[in-house]
Amino acid sequence: DQQVKQNSPSLSVQEGRISILNCDYTNSMFDYFLWYKKYPAEGPTFLISISSIKDKNEDGRFTVFLNKSAKHLSLHIVPSQPGDSAVYFCAAGGGGADGLTFGKGTHLIIQP
Amino acid sequence: SAVISQKPSRDICQRGTSLTIQCQVDSQVTMMFWYRQQPGQSLTLIATANQGSEATYESGFVIDKFPISRPNLTFSTLTVSNMSPEDSSIYLCSVGQAENTEAFFGQGTRLTVV
Repeated sequence: DQQVKQNSPSLSVQEGRISILNCDYTNSMFDYFLWYKKYPAEGPTFLISISSIKDKNEDGRFTVFLNKSAKHLSLHIVPSQPGDSAVYFCAAGGGGADGLTFGKGTHLIIQP
Repeated sequence: SAVISQKPSRDICQRGTSLTIQCQVDSQVTMMFWYRQQPGQSLTLIATANQGSEATYESGFVIDKFPISRPNLTFSTLTVSNMSPEDSSIYLCSVGQAENTEAFFGQGTRLTVV
């Protein structure tokens, strides 16, 4: 049973436009959510997180939105840049002492 | 964020043998975790490495197959024992502080079992 789902294996966006990556979850006990970016042959890099008590968190070009009633979160990247091309993982956790549950990832491709 | 060094970065191993992966952090961390990413799959938590005591394993993972050590707050090892081709995966070390939510990852070990 997959508790964190990323239903789009890939997404293609034109440079300069907005990239929107989506994630759904089933476990209401998750306390916080994170987005990671991964290049080939590297480990995941932390991008941004959001607590379950908030509905938005912004850091530069990255904004994460959380809709608890829908059990849905999204990552917005604006404007999209060529260096943003990578696999993006959505993850959820119950606390810093717990490990994370990951989605399968979405491969974002930024086209010039 | 902590600097995490994972060794080896990749290896090709014969079935039936064992491989030990090392994870070294440049600062003391409360939490250390081991994950596996099988081809085309998400990252799956194997276990939490506990300092000075036995690791806490997730469902589907056992100590005999994945023994873990954590002698101090900056170092941990994961051994993949009696390997089979199904163990071919990327193995990742992750660290964090119990009071924070962010977790940081090493570069991973790409294991191929032949």
